[in-house]
Amino acid sequence: TQLLEQSPQFLSIQEGENLTVYCNSSSVFSSLQWYRQEPGEGPVLLVTVVTGGEVKKLKRLTFQFGDARKDSSLHITAAQPGDTGLYLCAGGDSRSMEYGNKLVFGAGTILRVKS
Amino acid sequence: EAQVTQNPRYLITVTGKKLTVTCSQNMNHEYMSWYRQDPGLGLRQIYYSMNVEVTDKGDVPEGYKVSRKEKRNFPLILESPSPNQTSLYFCASSSYSGPVTYEQYFGPGTRLTVT
Repeated sequence: TQLLEQSPQFLSIQEGENLTVYCNSSSVFSSLQWYRQEPGEGPVLLVTVVTGGEVKKLKRLTFQFGDARKDSSLHITAAQPGDTGLYLCAGGDSRSMEYGNKLVFGAGTILRVKS
Repeated sequence: EAQVTQNPRYLITVTGKKLTVTCSQNMNHEYMSWYRQDPGLGLRQIYYSMNVEVTDKGDVPEGYKVSRKEKRNFPLILESPSPNQTSLYFCASSSYSGPVTYEQYFGPGTRLTVT
């Protein structure tokens, strides 16, 4: 069974601080996605990384896929209250051609940015 | 507007009373799935469907049924709900264009309480 562990589970910081969220596994994934979920809504895709070592930037958010495609990180620079939410990483099943678009989700990191 | 809709958004029911949660997408996606979200456990896949009349079990299928008679609809059926099925449920859809480039679009969620 493929598992993804996210850390920390909860993060409360002041506006302007930097933070990093980690997503780790002992399994190799074909791709890694990060979603953001706000209360009362479904998760919304932020980014997909597919190549080991890949780094993608989305404004103040930087995503990295580990060289071995077993882990990923999300770094937010100068966090703002609007960044508050639940951040979920999701790994693409390496057998996805057989199992369709199966994703394995981490438990999530709750981020609260105080102004 | 591209979207996934779910109904109802909130449901309180009693043990054993059959219920159906509807899901519909307007993006002509082949792939649809149902997840449940529980604190500390993240999103776990219940059932998925790769196309009309093609469905299969996810990681936690016990106590649930699905059907895919039309491409746009993917209802979740609880024949005899029990309290351990109290959870937040999400329907998701995506195109099936390859194993690593898909984005899953989530509905707004259905909060189910079984007493």
